[in-house]
Amino acid sequence: EAQVTQNPRYLITVTGKKLTVTCSQNMNHEYMSWYRQDPGLGLRQIYYSMNVEVTDKGDVPEGYKVSRKEKRNFPLILESPSPNQTSLYFCASSLYQGMETQYFGPGTRLLVL
Amino acid sequence: GNSVTQMEGPVTLSEEAFLTINCTYTATGYPSLFWYVQYPGEGLQLLLKATKADDKGSNKGFEATYRKETTSFHLEKGSVQVSDSAVYFCALSSIGGGSNYKLTFGKGTLLTVNP
Repeated sequence: EAQVTQNPRYLITVTGKKLTVTCSQNMNHEYMSWYRQDPGLGLRQIYYSMNVEVTDKGDVPEGYKVSRKEKRNFPLILESPSPNQTSLYFCASSLYQGMETQYFGPGTRLLVL
Repeated sequence: GNSVTQMEGPVTLSEEAFLTINCTYTATGYPSLFWYVQYPGEGLQLLLKATKADDKGSNKGFEATYRKETTSFHLEKGSVQVSDSAVYFCALSSIGGGSNYKLTFGKGTLLTVNP
């Protein structure tokens, strides 16, 4: 089944404790992206990757890092999480950069205490 | 910059009622327009899309027409069902900084359909 998977689905952590949210797609997509969803703000792009080893900032990159060592994986790293990073995070992918239909993962709900 | 404005919810309807969720946009160039749906506890799924002016996207009884003159892409359904209860996002795709074709989303509209 073609899908985007994220892990973990739910995470409670404390301020300053490094964490990684994994994202994997099995559709051989080149383009991958991370969004955060906050009430009243909709979805905002954090980082994106047009291909392996090519990443760039989206609209709200502060406090986040990403890496793209393999085509299928695009982990989101919070080196020192803070409470304002409490949010619902979505990974998405599409076949190419510029392909308009993106496929979304199920989301990761993060609470930073 | 690009932006999407959609009607604020929540919207509560009875089964078989007519649904309209308004969406207007601001963008340079010729964006593609989308409606995504998010069912409870799930990620977003593409509902329908339109890639040029006057195109009509349709799926599962939902429709939206790309109106360039009014910069709108309103979502409609003639008879909603309880299973349509979800959050609906209007979005546009256009080239941004660094050649990034990103999606710009509206804030979402929560629809609840009661039996």
